[in-house]
Amino acid sequence: AQSVTQPDIHITVSEGASLELRCNYSYGATPYLFWYVQSPGQGLQLLLKYFSGDTLVQGIKGFEAEFKRSQSSFNLRKPSVHWSDAAEYFCAVGLNDYKLSFGAGTTVTVRA
Amino acid sequence: ETGVTQTPRHLVMGMTNKKSLKCEQHLGHNAMYWYKQSAKKPLELMFVYSLEERVENNSVPSRFSPECPNSSHLFLHLHTLQPEDSALYLCASSQEIFGQGASSGANVLTFGAGSRLTVL
Repeated sequence: AQSVTQPDIHITVSEGASLELRCNYSYGATPYLFWYVQSPGQGLQLLLKYFSGDTLVQGIKGFEAEFKRSQSSFNLRKPSVHWSDAAEYFCAVGLNDYKLSFGAGTTVTVRA
Repeated sequence: ETGVTQTPRHLVMGMTNKKSLKCEQHLGHNAMYWYKQSAKKPLELMFVYSLEERVENNSVPSRFSPECPNSSHLFLHLHTLQPEDSALYLCASSQEIFGQGASSGANVLTFGAGSRLTVL
């Protein structure tokens, strides 16, 4: 069955430190891949997406993600986090069937 | 206004009430979606509409009734809900339905801020 897994429920990181959020998927073919962020009381905002081509994609707010086909992963990274990056992050995966599936999310806490 | 607007932002209702959630998009998109977000669970796709026609009804209980009168508006009518229906309901839209020509990059979902529903 198709699935999206975010192994880390909660990550705490110091301001200025690097951040990496993991996303793994189980699909028969290479799907379309997305990362969204949700701040408290807000909807989901698209950070970046991968459809094809260069496996390292750049997004907004200084985030980047790398698609690794051999590992079925699409991990999100940021070199230096800011307090405003505290939020919940969702990986989303889909094929050509209008069903965009989401992981359960990773909550990021930033400490001063 | 721009983007995807959802009203009300917060709703408290009893199990015997009838209420509706409204979603409006000002992006000129042709596809609209309802998702349910419960704490620490993946978002659940409930309904998908493309050009006002329902494409997907993802095994949603009949106490949830969607309506899409035009490509800019989407409603979720609620009646005789259960406490376990308490959640954040997110509306989204995309240029065309996701998965059809998605490689064009035009079919990324844009989300509203959600309607927080509490069923007593």
